[in-house]
Parts: sequence; C-alpha cells; structure tokens
Amino acid sequence: SQQGEEDPQALSIQEGENATMNCSYKTSINNLQWYRQNSGRGLVHLILIRSNEREKHSGRLRVTLDTSKKSSSLLITASRAADTASYFCATVTGTYKYIFGTGTRLKVLA
Amino acid sequence: SQTIHQWPATLVQPVGSPLSLECTVEGTSNPNLYWYRQAAGRGLQLLFYSVGIGQISSEVPQNLSASRPQDRQFILSSKKLLLSDSGFYLCAWGQGEQYFGPGTRLTVT
Repeated sequence: SQQGEEDPQALSIQEGENATMNCSYKTSINNLQWYRQNSGRGLVHLILIRSNEREKHSGRLRVTLDTSKKSSSLLITASRAADTASYFCATVTGTYKYIFGTGTRLKVLA
Repeated sequence: SQTIHQWPATLVQPVGSPLSLECTVEGTSNPNLYWYRQAAGRGLQLLFYSVGIGQISSEVPQNLSASRPQDRQFILSSKKLLLSDSGFYLCAWGQGEQYFGPGTRLTVT
C-alpha cells in the first residue's frame, strides 16, 4: 500500500505565486524525500529531510516535517513556469525501502 | 559522475509475449538498485530492489521477475506479459537519495 499520500492531487497557480503541497504517511520513517517528475521523464531528487529535522531549505524550496502528525509539506516560493511538473514525496523506512506517494501535479501559468 | 541507463525507451508488446528491460549504472560500485512501475497519472510502485549481485527482494508478487547478473546491471523480465503490465518502468539506484533512469514506456496490446 502507498505510504505517502500527497494533497492536493492537482494545483494550478500563477507565475510568481507560492505553491504548497502536503504529504501524509502512516508509519515511522528514517527520512522523507521530495522528488520532481517532468512529463514522461524519470524523477529528480529535490530535498531530503531526516526524521529528527523539522525544517529544511534549498533555494526556493522549503520542506517541513511533523513526525507527530506524520506529515510533511513542500513550499515552492516565487514559482516559475518551469516548475510545472509532478511532485512526489517518498518515505524511507529501514535502509532500502522507499515508498512513493501518488503525487501532486503542479501547473504554473505564465 | 554517475549515470544510469535504461533501454529500450519505448516498447509495444502483445499479451503473452516475454519481456526483458535492462538497466545499467556507471560511475559507482555496489549500488542499491530498484525497479519501479508507474501507471498513467499515478505514483510509483516499488517492484524489486537489490543490494548486491544475485540478491533480489520482491515487493509485489506478480508475473515479473528481476535479476542482477553483474554489479551494475539490473534486469526486469517476464515470461508472459499481461495487459495490466502496461506502464512506465523506472530503474533507480541510491543509498539515501535515489537517482532515476529515463524510464521505459511499455504498452501491452
């Protein structure tokens, strides 16, 4: 079964606005990661947050993790048309097991 | 730098035919390797992972199998394809972050 569930399933915003997507999961994790997928391509790693971290930044990306609520959020600030893609969270339990969510499809309108 | 290759890029196969998808990694040794399947508009389903030559763990029982004949080679196979095997197959490697190949789009007709 899917560990991560993203919300919303789809999001459409204007260029320059911020985009927020959420991920909920069910069991204890070692870390949580966010990935991006352009249509018909492989996934690209964006950011990793460990279970003992609460917030992490990378460029225009900000990720938060609330282990008590088993949830994470990804914020993309000042979005650009090039940010149009699907975004997935992945929870890592143990050393080898990655469980991906169902994804949020983000469309940024120019 | 590390590179991951997958082939073929696209494949159309009839129901009941065999399947062989290949993934190779360059620039690293003894990588953890993964096969995922993505149905249209959906998330990724972990199929198999391998931590070493000949070591395969299956996550989903089905008519697919995986093999790792060499350190940096991971093969996904089927003896008889089903319509439900259609999808986008992604190979990945990594310990920590995962690095994905370009994928193989399989259509079973």
